[in-house]
Amino acid sequence: EIVMTQSPATLSVSPGERTTLSCRASQSISSNLAWYQQKPGQAPRLLIYGASTRATGIPARFSGSGSGTEFTLTISSLQSEDFAVYYCQQYNNWPSYTFGQGTKLEIK
Amino acid sequence: EVQLVQSGAEVKKPGESLKISCEGSGYSFSTSWIGWVRQMPGKGLEWMGIIFPGDSETTYSPSFQGQVTISADKSISTAYLRWSSLKASDTAMYYCARASGTGSYGYYYLEYWGQGTLVTVSS
Repeated sequence: EIVMTQSPATLSVSPGERTTLSCRASQSISSNLAWYQQKPGQAPRLLIYGASTRATGIPARFSGSGSGTEFTLTISSLQSEDFAVYYCQQYNNWPSYTFGQGTKLEIK
Repeated sequence: EVQLVQSGAEVKKPGESLKISCEGSGYSFSTSWIGWVRQMPGKGLEWMGIIFPGDSETTYSPSFQGQVTISADKSISTAYLRWSSLKASDTAMYYCARASGTGSYGYYYLEYWGQGTLVTVSS
């Protein structure tokens, strides 16, 4: 099983700041990585797929990068609605897709 | 508009059986994979398995193989997740999601999500 490790577990950031979340795979997953945002009481929402392609309707302040084993999600200027939990997921190892444990982005 | 509507919350006792549903609309249900994801209380997301409603091809995460059954009825655009004997540890929110991909078999991300079904198992 491919283990996805996200860091940090919690990130405290002020609105308007730029922030970067990290995701590491235990073995190479090429660019088969997605990022999801989950707000309390809501279903997850797809942000990024293919490591760097924004999903439909996702603001340009969200960007993803990386390939192989190291990936990042960057939010260029945090808005109040961005405070949530973010998950990465590898979809390279069919059928055993795996998620990271999540990074909680909280208001500083 | 793509929509996935899941069945309502359930409260069951250990040992009981349960089948929850996920109805898709706004797209060709038969030609898109549907995945299931578990989220235990206060925890992260766990991949359970995925089904192709067109021919009911199904694969499971090793952690869930033999624990649940995923099925689909393409005639009514509905996917299902079934337990034959619930345990307290099955208490969780369960999400279905429509998978999308780049065209190559075996590479799918979850693009559209249902609202979730909360399953509570308690004696």
